[in-house]
Amino acid sequence: DVKVTQSSRYLVKRTGEKVFLECVQDMDHENMFWYRQDPGLGLRLIYFSYDVKMKEKGDIPEGYSVSREKKERFSLILESASTNQTSMYLCASTDRGSSEQYFGPGTRLTVT
Amino acid sequence: SQQGEEDPQALSIQEGENATMNCSYKTSINNLQWYRQNSGRGLVHLILIRSNEREKHSGRLRVTLDTSKKSSSLLITASRAADTASYFCASTSGGSYIPTFGRGTSLIVHP
Repeated sequence: DVKVTQSSRYLVKRTGEKVFLECVQDMDHENMFWYRQDPGLGLRLIYFSYDVKMKEKGDIPEGYSVSREKKERFSLILESASTNQTSMYLCASTDRGSSEQYFGPGTRLTVT
Repeated sequence: SQQGEEDPQALSIQEGENATMNCSYKTSINNLQWYRQNSGRGLVHLILIRSNEREKHSGRLRVTLDTSKKSSSLLITASRAADTASYFCASTSGGSYIPTFGRGTSLIVHP
């Protein structure tokens, strides 16, 4: 059974903290994605990666960075968390040339 | 910007009834997908329809695509309480393999 896992289901952090969200996939997929999901706004793409050490900005990269040191792992970093980054964060992966996305269970981040 | 927009935003039906959700998009597409999201969880891929296809079935799901109207519909037949979820359409266009998601339709099926 293919799987995308995320390090935490729920996370509470304080304003200004550095936050790491981890995502691991076991499908040997080339492409990995980070989205945030907010009520009324749907899914918005933050960053994606099409290969190890490669990254591309999505629609809303401001305030975020990413790291992909290994093919199976894609990390989202909030350098200095702010309250407007309170959201549901979803990681996804796809095989090369495919648009069918496999999602993790999501991390609900609250920044206080 | 949103490529796909679902309609209605919310749908409430009784178990056993059919549920129909629509998706409209703005530009020519390569394919269109439908995903389901149970409350507080990740999205699950349901079905993909290519731009040269008009209809596709998967179990109780039926998807149609009308490229002349730039729209797609998802029909869930004989709905069950377990179908309660949000449903998203997502389309790819041009040379991109990255889908753009709509805002979703929230479906509630009452037992």
